[in-house]
Amino acid sequence: NAGVTQTPKFQVLKTGQSMTLQCAQDMNHEYMSWYRQDPGMGLRLIHYSVGAGITDQGEVPNGYNVSRSTTEDFPLRLLSAAPSQTSVYFCASADTVGYGYTFGSGTRLTVV
Amino acid sequence: SQQGEEDPQALSIQEGENATMNCSYKTSINNLQWYRQNSGRGLVHLILIRSNEREKHSGRLRVTLDTSKKSSSLLITASRAADTASYFCATDQFNDYKLSFGAGTTVTVRA
Repeated sequence: NAGVTQTPKFQVLKTGQSMTLQCAQDMNHEYMSWYRQDPGMGLRLIHYSVGAGITDQGEVPNGYNVSRSTTEDFPLRLLSAAPSQTSVYFCASADTVGYGYTFGSGTRLTVV
Repeated sequence: SQQGEEDPQALSIQEGENATMNCSYKTSINNLQWYRQNSGRGLVHLILIRSNEREKHSGRLRVTLDTSKKSSSLLITASRAADTASYFCATDQFNDYKLSFGAGTTVTVRA
């Protein structure tokens, strides 16, 4: 039982490049979310999903896309990377609302 | 904007002492959770308290919730060096699936 797996762990992008951060969970959780963590600002919600085929925007969705074609996977796409997207990104999943989330170990992204 | 706000921002205590941190939130909630994050790692769920509960315990952790004051506290008793971490509160609201986090309290336990 691996929990929530995020890849890659580290990534450096040039401004304007695109990439996909991968997130997979093996707990059959319905809820999945993406957060970014910046110093002194806690975690801010980017996008979330309450089940396969259903996604919605969080607090800071601009510049990011998501899709949820399966229960297990919830990739986050950066469309055209900007230095302001330099951050640590966390994927998390939960059985449903009102249950604790399981977090991945994070992806540290630097945009130069 | 973030729903929760932790206080203090940072806390330094001696091993064996108790650590108390508070979380205030802006709008009515369904559930409130506390998470721990060790340096450079992902968050770990500690405890969840529902809006109709006032107190909950888990090992050395005690969480209280006062919905009239829109606040919660996390008490860690008999702290250990391994408790050195950042602690975050997170809330969700009725009929809303989003989980919103505060900025966190950084706790340092000195040996």
